[in-house]
Amino acid sequence: SQTIHQWPATLVQPVGSPLSLECTVEGTSNPNLYWYRQAAGRGLQLLFYSVGIGQISSEVPQNLSASRPQDRQFILSSKKLLLSDSGFYLCAWSKGWGIQETQYFGPGTRLLVL
Amino acid sequence: EDKVVQSPLSLVVHEGDTVTLNCSYEVTNFRSLLWYKQEKKAPTFLFMLTSSGIEKKSGRLSSILDKKELFSILNITATQTGDSAIYLCAAPNNNAGNMLTFGGGTRLMVKP
Repeated sequence: SQTIHQWPATLVQPVGSPLSLECTVEGTSNPNLYWYRQAAGRGLQLLFYSVGIGQISSEVPQNLSASRPQDRQFILSSKKLLLSDSGFYLCAWSKGWGIQETQYFGPGTRLLVL
Repeated sequence: EDKVVQSPLSLVVHEGDTVTLNCSYEVTNFRSLLWYKQEKKAPTFLFMLTSSGIEKKSGRLSSILDKKELFSILNITATQTGDSAIYLCAAPNNNAGNMLTFGGGTRLMVKP
């Protein structure tokens, strides 16, 4: 069966510091991978998605970036965090089209920028 | 631009009540609609709906899709405090990444 991991679970960072959040998927190959952000009490906002190694699409302009150095690894980064980057970051995977298009979420990283 | 809207925004009920959550959508080349339950952490998958009028059921939860009127409902009967969560609906769009457009969610609180 497939599992998705995220770390760290919680992070408190000062404004202006760098960020690196990691997401890995086990038990599948060539998944679609996604990064979402959820502000408190709000819906999910898609930040990035990737359909393969080195392929990243950005959905919203921001100071975050994403990379996919390996098939089942997805990294969310920032060179300098802003206060507005605080939120709950979720990584998700899906297998693709049709019946396999359901996305499954990792446990999330709660980020607080002070 | 694809749009998914959920109502109500929040709902407070007592144990044993039945609730109905609504999700309307405007999606180009609609394929499916997904329901998720989010408690303290990650959303967990509940249902995928692709055909109108066919009810999906899992225990006390059920969901149905109306592709003519472009909406779906999620019903929870005999609610329990463990049903308290944010319920999200989402629809995939047509691009290569198979992205989901999410509604804003309905926050359900079930009081004992």
